[in-house]
Amino acid sequence: ETGVTQSPTHLIKTRGQQVTLRCSSQSGHNTVSWYQQALGQGPQFIFQYYREEENGRGNFPPRFSGLQFPNYSSELNVNALELDDSALYLCASSLVSGGIRGTQYFGPGTRLLVL
Amino acid sequence: DAKTTQPPSMDCAEGRAANLPCNHSTISGNEYVYWYRQIHSQGPQYIIHGLKNNETNEMASLIITEDRKSSTLILPHATLRDTAVYYCIVRVDDTGRRALTFGSGTRLQVQP
Repeated sequence: ETGVTQSPTHLIKTRGQQVTLRCSSQSGHNTVSWYQQALGQGPQFIFQYYREEENGRGNFPPRFSGLQFPNYSSELNVNALELDDSALYLCASSLVSGGIRGTQYFGPGTRLLVL
Repeated sequence: DAKTTQPPSMDCAEGRAANLPCNHSTISGNEYVYWYRQIHSQGPQYIIHGLKNNETNEMASLIITEDRKSSTLILPHATLRDTAVYYCIVRVDDTGRRALTFGSGTRLQVQP
């Protein structure tokens, strides 16, 4: 089975721009979560999608938005980029039932630098 | 989810057992203990989880105290590739639909 993949691996944007990050879930997983990891800190939960609906959100402003597609792949969109948005963005997929419940399988991340 | 406390860093000699402690004194009866690790510049990786009983898999062993207020992750024969940040996470259910709350973790450095 294929793991979680993310694209692009690295990205440089300037303040005020918009960015779209992409994630392909592990085969058969119907839940996708996005996390932001600033340098030297643990990942922070942004939001989660289950069957194409937002299923929970962390303490992030509305300019962070997402989508989940019928094939369970997902996008994270960030508008009006700020310098503090520079971070590693991680996507994780999981199964609601079956397998090792409660585990999330992470992709390698997209490193975003905002100048 | 209950709060966890981990030492910020630990060293271990290659080939020796690495014992990583985690305190979770406010854990509830239905909360599980999960361990993840993050090798530099990679996404976190699931290691093991448990509720009450000790657990072992091909990667590690998890020892949970009888009162469940603390646990220890054991890597029986640490290698250089085990150098990573290890996160202890307590969460209320074991479905895949709840977010993981990461703390600062323990940075394990395996020394040659």
